[in-house]
Amino acid sequence: EVQLLESGGGLVQPGGSLRLSCAASGFTFSNYAMSWVRQAPGKGLEWVSSISYSGASTYYADSVKGHFTISRDNSKNTLFLQLKSLRVEDTAIYYCAKWPLADIWGQGTMVTVSS
Amino acid sequence: DIVLTQSPGTLSLSPGERATLSCRASQSVSSNYLAWYQQKPGQAPSLLIFDASSRATGIPDRFSGSGSGTDFTLTISRLEPEDFAVYYCQHYGSSPPFGQGTRLEI
Repeated sequence: EVQLLESGGGLVQPGGSLRLSCAASGFTFSNYAMSWVRQAPGKGLEWVSSISYSGASTYYADSVKGHFTISRDNSKNTLFLQLKSLRVEDTAIYYCAKWPLADIWGQGTMVTVSS
Repeated sequence: DIVLTQSPGTLSLSPGERATLSCRASQSVSSNYLAWYQQKPGQAPSLLIFDASSRATGIPDRFSGSGSGTDFTLTISRLEPEDFAVYYCQHYGSSPPFGQGTRLEI
C-alpha cells in the first residue's frame, strides 16, 4: 500500500524546537521530490519546503526560511523537517506529500506552539 | 512568482446541481501544470485533476478540469453529497503553489 506516515508533532513553547518525520512505503521514495505543506486551523494550504529526490536541493517558503530545515534519508525512506525558533503562527497541521504533483499525502501531524 | 486566485470563495449548491470552480493565474501556467485537490473535513487533501484536465486514478467522471494559460475551471457535473468539501488548485512548478481554496457547501 502506498503510504506516507508523519510523526513528531506536539505542543511546544514559543522558541522551542521539534523534528517531524515522514515514513514512506509502497513506492520508490528515492525517485521523487518531497514537500511539507501546512495548514493552520481553519486556513488554507501553505507550502513550507521541498527537497529534491537526492536531497541535493532544498527550497523554503519565505515564512520559514532560516528556521526550518528539510532533509531526507533515502536508505530509510524517510523525510524530515526540523523546526526551530517556533512561533505561535507556526501552529498548524503539517503534511508531507510527494512532489511536485501531490498524488500521495500523509495524514498530517499537529504542531501547536503555545505558552 | 505565479499567484493563483480561486473564485468564488464559497459556493452554495444542492446535490444534483452543477458546480463550476475557477482558478486564475497571475501569469500563464507552463505546460498546463495545474492540479485540483479536494479536502474533506479532518482529512488530508487528495488529488482530483492533474495537467489541467486529466483525472487522477479512481476519480469519478463527474469531475472534469479544463482551461489553459491563465484561466482554469473545475466542473462537477452532478453534485453528490460527498462532494461538499474545499477545493484547491495548484501550479506544480511555482511558489507559492496553491490557491486559497473554494468551499463548496450545501
